[in-house]
Amino acid sequence: GNSVTQMEGPVTLSEEAFLTINCTYTATGYPSLFWYVQYPGEGLQLLLKATKADDKGSNKGFEATYRKETTSFHLEKGSVQVSDSAVYFCALSMDSNYQLIWGAGTKLIIKP
Amino acid sequence: DTGVSQNPRHKITKRGQNVTFRCDPISEHNRLYWYRQTLGQGPEFLTYFQNEAQLEKSRLLSDRFSAERPKGSFSTLEIQRTEQGDSAMYLCASSLAGLAAMRGETQYFGPGTRLLVL
Repeated sequence: GNSVTQMEGPVTLSEEAFLTINCTYTATGYPSLFWYVQYPGEGLQLLLKATKADDKGSNKGFEATYRKETTSFHLEKGSVQVSDSAVYFCALSMDSNYQLIWGAGTKLIIKP
Repeated sequence: DTGVSQNPRHKITKRGQNVTFRCDPISEHNRLYWYRQTLGQGPEFLTYFQNEAQLEKSRLLSDRFSAERPKGSFSTLEIQRTEQGDSAMYLCASSLAGLAAMRGETQYFGPGTRLLVL
């Protein structure tokens, strides 16, 4: 079946550090890929997405590139801020049924 | 744009009781999804509606669970004879599907209803 695996957290970084959160997927077919973020006390929000191979999604300084050859969609940011502290979820959807299939989430803690 | 709203935000109930949650999607959205999220895990799909039609149900949705979207607007999720294993956050999301299928459709999430079964 289809699945998403992302690196376990928590990930703890200092402000202005470089961030990578790894995400790999298994899919029978050609999925669309997403990163959602959940800030403390808030609901899930779409951070970025990509719908075809080699596409780069970007938002708020975060980027992720759809790599079909490595089945990956790693999230990166060049310089993190304390306000980026949140839980980040990688997810995929297939055209056939639209439901999102999620990774377990990675908690990110940024220290000043 | 008021976003997706869910009520109640929190529910504590005793095992064996029935509970009902409500979701109000973004007003023009025609698709509505229910997910369940347990602590430390990503959400798991339960079911989805296109307008008032329930098009897919997960195997997670046992016969104690029922969802409706009677007029294609708000939706309710009912759990009968609750069990302690039903304790979770129940999330609702909505999206706008056009006539032509679109890859990477964005789902907009509500704040969730946290259920605790004692």
